[in-house]
Amino acid sequence: EVQLQESGPGLVKPSQSLSLTCSVTGYSITSNYWGWIRKFPGNKMEWMGYISYSGSTSYNPSLKSRISITRDTSKNQFFLQLNSVTTEDTATYYCARVLHFHFDYWGQGVMVTVSS
Amino acid sequence: DIQMTQSPSFLSASVGDRVTINCKASQNINKYLDWYQQKLGEAPKLLIYNTNSLHTGIPSRFSGSGSGTDFTLTISSLQPEDVATYFCLQHNSGSWTFGGGTKLELK
Repeated sequence: EVQLQESGPGLVKPSQSLSLTCSVTGYSITSNYWGWIRKFPGNKMEWMGYISYSGSTSYNPSLKSRISITRDTSKNQFFLQLNSVTTEDTATYYCARVLHFHFDYWGQGVMVTVSS
Repeated sequence: DIQMTQSPSFLSASVGDRVTINCKASQNINKYLDWYQQKLGEAPKLLIYNTNSLHTGIPSRFSGSGSGTDFTLTISSLQPEDVATYFCLQHNSGSWTFGGGTKLELK
């Protein structure tokens, strides 16, 4: 069974970088696409970006200058880095597998608070 | 950017009721609309993809309809385990945009 698990710091200071890891079991990240989505307080959700089976990436234009998604195929992990965070980046962050443009498997999510 | 307007944002219904949730796109998204369910403390779950295709393992009381800009998720007979937040997601534009979510509770 495909399983995804997010990990990373739950608290980040403003202006610093947010770094999260998505560990995947049961499926190779060298197949399909793998995405990051976040859910803000109040339930608004935002697609952040994805990394493909080949390592190419695509980002939400609203984040393009601050976001980077990378991967380590030897560990079957992919990563999110979001730079210059503000309190508006406080959210629950999810990683998910993309199958034919649908997010068919999701992690449980990790809550990240941006606060000094 | 394509905007998705979901309604209602909150819904209270009784067991056995027929429930409908709507999403309206700001422009034509053809059939590229999915529905997800998220229960409290759980990961989101794909229910319906491409407007009306039921994802594997999803009960047949869930169905989707629509095209173009207007889409509907229907639960034919509400069950207690359907208490959750539901949201739509479009993927026509080369990126993804979510609706605002509908919180469904039991009356």
